[in-house]
Amino acid sequence: GNSVTQMEGPVTLSEEAFLTINCTYTATGYPSLFWYVQYPGEGLQLLLKATKADDKGSNKGFEATYRKETTSFHLEKGSVQVSDSAVYFCALSVNQAGTALIFGKGTTLSVSS
Amino acid sequence: DGGITQSPKYLFRKEGQNVTLSCEQNLNHDAMYWYRQDPGQGLRLIYYSQIVNDFQKGDIAEGYSVSREKKESFPLTVTSAQKNPTAFYLCASSMTGQETQYFGPGTRLLVL
Repeated sequence: GNSVTQMEGPVTLSEEAFLTINCTYTATGYPSLFWYVQYPGEGLQLLLKATKADDKGSNKGFEATYRKETTSFHLEKGSVQVSDSAVYFCALSVNQAGTALIFGKGTTLSVSS
Repeated sequence: DGGITQSPKYLFRKEGQNVTLSCEQNLNHDAMYWYRQDPGQGLRLIYYSQIVNDFQKGDIAEGYSVSREKKESFPLTVTSAQKNPTAFYLCASSMTGQETQYFGPGTRLLVL
């Protein structure tokens, strides 16, 4: 079946450190991949997405590259800020618009100054 | 402003009581979804609807019911059959032919 596996958190970093959050997936066909972010007490916001192999999604300094050969979509940021503290979710869609996303369990990031 | 609204922000349920969570969107999206979020478990799909007057069960539909009488509204009822309803409930919507989903701010349900 289709599934998403994220690295377990929490991830604790100092401000300006480099961030990587690992995400791997299992899927039939060619899924689209997403990163969502959830700030405390709020809903999810789309951070970035990629729809085909080798695509790079980017937004607000975050990047992730769709790697079909390793079935991965790792999230990276070169220099984190305290305001990046949140829960990050990797998700996939099996290319059927109008059907649900499949989410990983989420990774909590805590950035200290 | 276009978006998804959920109400109330917090909801308290007594034993044996049915409660209804509201979800409204003015994005003109056809598809709408309900997810449940528990700590450390990510999001799990309860129900989804691709068009008005039609909806499908998700992975954890037992103890929940929905209706889709209007395109912009997709209320979720947590029935007394749901024995462990304490969770954060998220509503989402998507445009026809698009996979990206947009989320509301969520409703936290607590049992008294």
